[in-house]
Parts: sequence; C-alpha cells; structure tokens
Amino acid sequence: ILNVEQSPQSLHVQEGDSTNFTCSFPSSNFYALHWYRWETAKSPEALFVMTLNGDEKKKGRISATLNTKEGYSYLYIKGSQPEDSATYLCASPNDYKLSFGAGTTVTVRA
Amino acid sequence: EAGVAQSPRYKIIEKRQSVAFWCNPISGHATLYWYQQILGQGPKLLIQFQNNGVVDDSQLPKDRFSAERLKGVDSTLKIQPAKLEDSAVYLCATALAQGVYNEQFFGPGTRLTVL
Repeated sequence: ILNVEQSPQSLHVQEGDSTNFTCSFPSSNFYALHWYRWETAKSPEALFVMTLNGDEKKKGRISATLNTKEGYSYLYIKGSQPEDSATYLCASPNDYKLSFGAGTTVTVRA
Repeated sequence: EAGVAQSPRYKIIEKRQSVAFWCNPISGHATLYWYQQILGQGPKLLIQFQNNGVVDDSQLPKDRFSAERLKGVDSTLKIQPAKLEDSAVYLCATALAQGVYNEQFFGPGTRLTVL
C-alpha cells in the first residue's frame, strides 16, 4: 500500500443496523492513524487519533481498531442513526504530513 | 471554545479571475493548514504554517497560489488566476502544535466553483 485507501466508497445502512468499513495505509514507518467525520455543510470533526498496534478506541456508538503490522483500521458504527450519515475520512502521515483517504460516505435510511 | 472560522462559504468565479479565502484559527493554535479537497478525493495539504512561518508548501502550485499568515493568527489563501481544475473545497485546519499525533480542528471550508 503506497497511499491511504478507504473502502467501500459509499454504503447505505438501515437505521438500527450496525456497519463497518476499512482504511488501509502503508504499514512501514507508521506514526499515527486519524479518523474524521464530515457531515454535509459542517466542519470535519476528529473522532480518533490512534498510535498503538491493537489499539481500540470508542466514542459513543462509534469505535475503531488498528492493526499497524498489516496496515489497516476498521471503523464500526453500532445501531446506526440518521445523524451518523456523513463521510468518514482516515488519514496517516506520509513525509510528516497527513495523507487522507477519499472517504467512505455513510447514508443511514430511516 | 469557538471553532475555526472560514469565509466565504461559497464562491463562484470565472477562469482567469482571482479569489481569496480567509481563515481565523482557534485562539492559541500555532499551527495552521490549508487543504484542497477535489470531489472524489481526500483533502490534500497545500501549505502548513507554524505561527507566521511556512513549514511546508511543497504541494502549493506557487505559480498561481499564494498564502500568508500575518502576525501568526488569521490566514489568507489566494488563487490568481484561477483555472477550471481549481474547483474544490478549500479547508483550513489548526492545531495547538505541529506534529502528526495532534488532532486537527477544521473549519467548514470554502466551496469554489470555477466556470
């Protein structure tokens, strides 16, 4: 992996269902992995900054895991609600500046 | 605390015109970033300031883009002349200090359309 990649590009979830999606990043010279949530017409908001292999972080119904050896992070949303509809961006440093993925756009259907 | 402020929120211009964006950081945040986010791509760093000094502008197209951060507080990003491919959302972000471990606080962005 040379760049930060996210999959899927978009997904639709029924309200109440849980979902997860992936961020892949270069595993060599790993420093940190950032997750941001960007709701339409609002500012991107930091969710997590993760640094340790095996780390798990949680914020309400959203959680994330980190595998630095294989270069991936999962973000989970438990019991999706309409307010979870947003684009979720991950970013990892490349040459001392954050390199962002293109994002996963989540749409929660009521 | 007040967040990062940006203006304008939207701007439509014709190619070859000039445009400027303004960013007001969170009080006390020494590090300021300008990102360009083209539709379908992740944000790309254009320039990073530490106080009023430039830390990294390696991805700034210097033939048409310029940025300054006078007095280490507010910042402006200018495009002169604009091209069609400059259509994007321009995000300003700030942090207490530089470093890839630090959370960045983003403004709402300026959506630029170049016709």
